[in-house]
Amino acid sequence: EVQLVESGGGLVKPGGSLRLSCAASGFTFSNYNMNWVRQAPGKGLEWVSSISSSSTYIHYADSVKGRFTISRDNAKNSLYLHMNSLRADDTAVYYCARSGSVGADSWGQGTLVTVSS
Amino acid sequence: DIQMTQSPSSLSASVGNRVTITCQASQDIRYFLNWYQQKPGKAPKLLIFDASNLETGVPSRFSGSGSGTDFTFTISSLQPEDIATYYCLQYDLLPGALTFGGGTKVEIK
Repeated sequence: EVQLVESGGGLVKPGGSLRLSCAASGFTFSNYNMNWVRQAPGKGLEWVSSISSSSTYIHYADSVKGRFTISRDNAKNSLYLHMNSLRADDTAVYYCARSGSVGADSWGQGTLVTVSS
Repeated sequence: DIQMTQSPSSLSASVGNRVTITCQASQDIRYFLNWYQQKPGKAPKLLIFDASNLETGVPSRFSGSGSGTDFTFTISSLQPEDIATYYCLQYDLLPGALTFGGGTKVEIK
């Protein structure tokens, strides 16, 4: 069974940093592209970043470009999101999602990031 | 960048009624479109992939159609457990931006 478990969320002050992790199991992690998607309270889904299976291709939404860094460690079956210069509008539940041959086919349960003073 | 316009943003229908949601892409995306169901406090769940293919285990009352720029998602007979927000998602086979529609909140009348 595919499992994606996010961790690392919490309360952080504006301008602060946070690192999210996503632990993958139940599939060959190194064969799949991965994504971070977020959802602000009461709002819709917003794609944040994606990384190819071997980290060759990396993309970011304009809203996080220059502040967030996606990475992965295929030996540890883990996906990461390093978030710097956090702002109030980064407050959201952050999901990791696997991209199979049919787009985002499996999702974690999410981790909440709250940016507030 | 591709934009996805989803409508309506909300709807209310009676149990047993047919529900239809549409998504329009700003350019041709062929069939690279999925539909998801999200219930409060839960992660999105894939229902339909590649515009019209039912994910394993998903009830057959859910269906999708379309290609190019215009796509439709249908619940043939609305059930109480279908109360949720539904999203379309445009994707590409190469890693890159995913584009979500704005979502449709479905309620029981």
